[in-house]
Amino acid sequence: GAVVSQHPSRVICKSGTSVKIECRSLDFQATTMFWYRQFPKQSLMLMATSNEGSKATYEQGVEKDKFLINHASLTLSTLTVTSAHPEDSSFYICSAGQQTWGGYTFGSGTRLTVV
Amino acid sequence: QQPVQSPQAVILREGEDAVINCSSSKALYSVHWYRQKHGEAPVFLMILLKGGEQKGHDKISASFNEKKQQSSLYLTASQLSYSGTYFCGTEYRDDKIIFGKGTRLHILP
Repeated sequence: GAVVSQHPSRVICKSGTSVKIECRSLDFQATTMFWYRQFPKQSLMLMATSNEGSKATYEQGVEKDKFLINHASLTLSTLTVTSAHPEDSSFYICSAGQQTWGGYTFGSGTRLTVV
Repeated sequence: QQPVQSPQAVILREGEDAVINCSSSKALYSVHWYRQKHGEAPVFLMILLKGGEQKGHDKISASFNEKKQQSSLYLTASQLSYSGTYFCGTEYRDDKIIFGKGTRLHILP
């Protein structure tokens, strides 16, 4: 149980274009999902908290207009990187949790390369 | 707000034990432990809640000292499969999990 599906797993895009990353909870409902970014050999940095049916809460220093988050249903959250630049290249990971077991399951991650 | 993990890196021989520590400057609601293999997403190991508790499965266990706002992860009789980077994630009242910088564990045969 508690499977989170994230795709695409890898994406290469041109500078200035937008990329959408999807995160789905497959066998449970997730009212809250988290989006993290991880640069090589660094920790997972929380970008934003995605709440179903309401606006996402962004961490300090994360541009909300650049990283658009939509949590339209209890099983789907999307992160759109708009007008991507090479410095946005990173590993993006979502996670979702269940109240019943307390832990959080991570998606498999999306490696974004902006060229 | 980011928890502090120590040590930053550990090299062990198979069968040896390791302890990874995680401390916070703020009152904690819970502590999560994850292991991440290179190029993969983190995998949940365990969660420890307020009230001070210990948990464990197999040869991996953890403790949570609420008063000291610290948690420790214990790896006993380490196996090659234990290699990876271990992250503690601290959860505060706002339900966000903030991760430490990680502890790289390398097990030698």
